[in-house]
Order: sequence, then C-alpha cells, then structure tokens
Amino acid sequence: DAGVTQSPTHLIKTRGQQVTLRCSPKSGHDTVSWYQQALGQGPQFIFQYYEEEERQRGNFPDRFSGHQFPNYSSELNVNALLLGDSALYLCASSLEGFYGYTFGSGTRLTVV
Amino acid sequence: AQSVTQLGSHVSVSEGALVLLRCNYSSSVPPYLFWYVQYPNQGLQLLLKYTSAATLVKGINGFEAEFKKSETSFHLTKPSAHMSDAAEYFCAVRNTGANSKLTFGKGITLSVRP
Repeated sequence: DAGVTQSPTHLIKTRGQQVTLRCSPKSGHDTVSWYQQALGQGPQFIFQYYEEEERQRGNFPDRFSGHQFPNYSSELNVNALLLGDSALYLCASSLEGFYGYTFGSGTRLTVV
Repeated sequence: AQSVTQLGSHVSVSEGALVLLRCNYSSSVPPYLFWYVQYPNQGLQLLLKYTSAATLVKGINGFEAEFKKSETSFHLTKPSAHMSDAAEYFCAVRNTGANSKLTFGKGITLSVRP
C-alpha cells in the first residue's frame, strides 16, 4: 500500500518564477494538507483541501494556492517566488473524521 | 490558538542513556498530541499519539510519552538510546475537531554519542 507520494523531490527556481508541487495521498485518504518547513524550524500549516475545496488556511499570502482533484490528489502553487520561500514542502493526507495523518517525504524547493 | 514549546534545540546523550525530550503545549480545548521523528532529507514519521485514552502512550522504537494535563506537558522518553535514534523530533498539537491542522514545535535535534 503506497503512502503519500510527492513530486518532484527537489527543484530549483529563480526569484519571481512560479512553481507547482504535487501530492498523491495515501490510498483511502480523502483530505490533503500542505506544510512548509523552513530550515531549522517546525512545519507550518499552509492549507487543507477536502472535497476539492480549501477548508482551512494558515497564515500564508495569496501567492500560495492549491487545488484538489476528484481522485484526491493535490497541487500546491506558489507565484512570484521569494528567496524566503525556500523550504521543504510537506504533504499530509488523512481520512475525514479520523485523527491520523500520513506525511510524504517532501519537496525541497530552493529559490535563487 | 494552540502552540507547542520544545525547550532547547539540541539534546545529546550517550548510547544506552535515558532520552528525555520535553514538550509543553497550550490549547483552549482538549488536545490531541503527537510526536514525530524526521531523519535527514526525509518526511515525518509518527512515533506516538495521545487521543484522550490512556495518559501513558507507547510508540514505536521503544519511545513513550505521558500526557500530564496539570502540567500541560507531553514529554517523550526512551529508557536506552540507540545510535539509530539520532534525528530531529517534533511535538505537535491539534484540537479534537475532524481534520484540524497540526501545530508543531520548533523541533529538537537528538544526538547519540557512542
């Protein structure tokens, strides 16, 4: 049974560009959450998607947006990249009504 | 609002020694509490969780944690450290609502000396 799959594993972007990160949830899970983990910090909640809609959002600017598809997979989009957006982006999936989260291995984004 | 405090950023122990990683939380509602471990260049792996059942929770790899409401603490312990325990450890809190977000502490790096 595959866990949470994230792609790509690493990427390098230039300041001002746009990036899309992808997440496939664990089989049977219907909810996807995204977290940003800056170097030396704990993960920070970006937003959560359920039934193809953003249900909760953390303290992140509108440059961060997302999408959930009918198969429950999700994308995280970041526009107008800043150097400070360099971080490990983690996707976590869960099943509505249950408390367990499964995390992917993350996408390491470097903005130069 | 919920928050997690993990005192100290780095703990170093000798192999075979007791591991104690501290976590204090703040929550206006009864929380669920979690400890995650992160190895270099990897995602988060769940060690254990407290979900309002037994206050002493046993997890994987010999770790356990005790929920103490009066102290708002959820410290992680392991009787005997192993070299493979060297990693970063995160304490997290969420409220008991369905699919509520996790709020993490800043993490503690555990080093294990031979």
